[in-house]
Amino acid sequence: EPEVTQTPSHQVTQMGQEVILRCVPISNHLYFYWYRQILGQKVEFLVSFYNNEISEKSEIFDDQFSVERPDGSNFTLKIRSTKLEDSAMYFCASSESGRSVVSEQFFGPGTRLTVL
Amino acid sequence: DAKTTQPPSMDCAEGRAANLPCNHSTISGNEYVYWYRQIHSQGPQYIIHGLKNNETNEMASLIITEDRKSSTLILPHATLRDTAVYYCIVRGTSGTYKYIFGTGTRLKVLA
Repeated sequence: EPEVTQTPSHQVTQMGQEVILRCVPISNHLYFYWYRQILGQKVEFLVSFYNNEISEKSEIFDDQFSVERPDGSNFTLKIRSTKLEDSAMYFCASSESGRSVVSEQFFGPGTRLTVL
Repeated sequence: DAKTTQPPSMDCAEGRAANLPCNHSTISGNEYVYWYRQIHSQGPQYIIHGLKNNETNEMASLIITEDRKSSTLILPHATLRDTAVYYCIVRGTSGTYKYIFGTGTRLKVLA
């Protein structure tokens, strides 16, 4: 069964450093998402991406964040200058369709980001 | 904020049916009800979704009331591996791509 994969599973970084979290969505999916979950808190939406551009973003997704689909298979989330409060699990998700057609999102296993 | 309300926790005996309720009294006509679960800190796992008719798949059944203001997810024969946090999410077919997660129901299946 196809699945979303994410690397690395755990990333430790120093405050102020740049990190790139990587995701490989399901191959025939066209819509991609990033969510995060701070330990003990809710899963929060960050951004959605379609046709090589951001289609929706939350207020969490500020100028420190960016997303990219550098090739036909990868989808990345970059945090330019990490802060302690960026420590969280980051989940990538993908779906066949977006908002106009009912389509469930499939989530990856997550990357645990720890900022020291 | 999430548009759904769920009990914070429930217990269920192994082998019995687990019935997880969800209230979504402000649901709109074009909004679907989705159910996901999260085991430990893994990524949310899709279970089932529906609009107004009852739905069943290999994992669960979804019962939506006629007025669509509430629904129940049924795991027919719960196992220990079904211990997880279950999320009920309402999302439409226009206006937004995102899921808004609430705090969910922490289901504990007891041996």
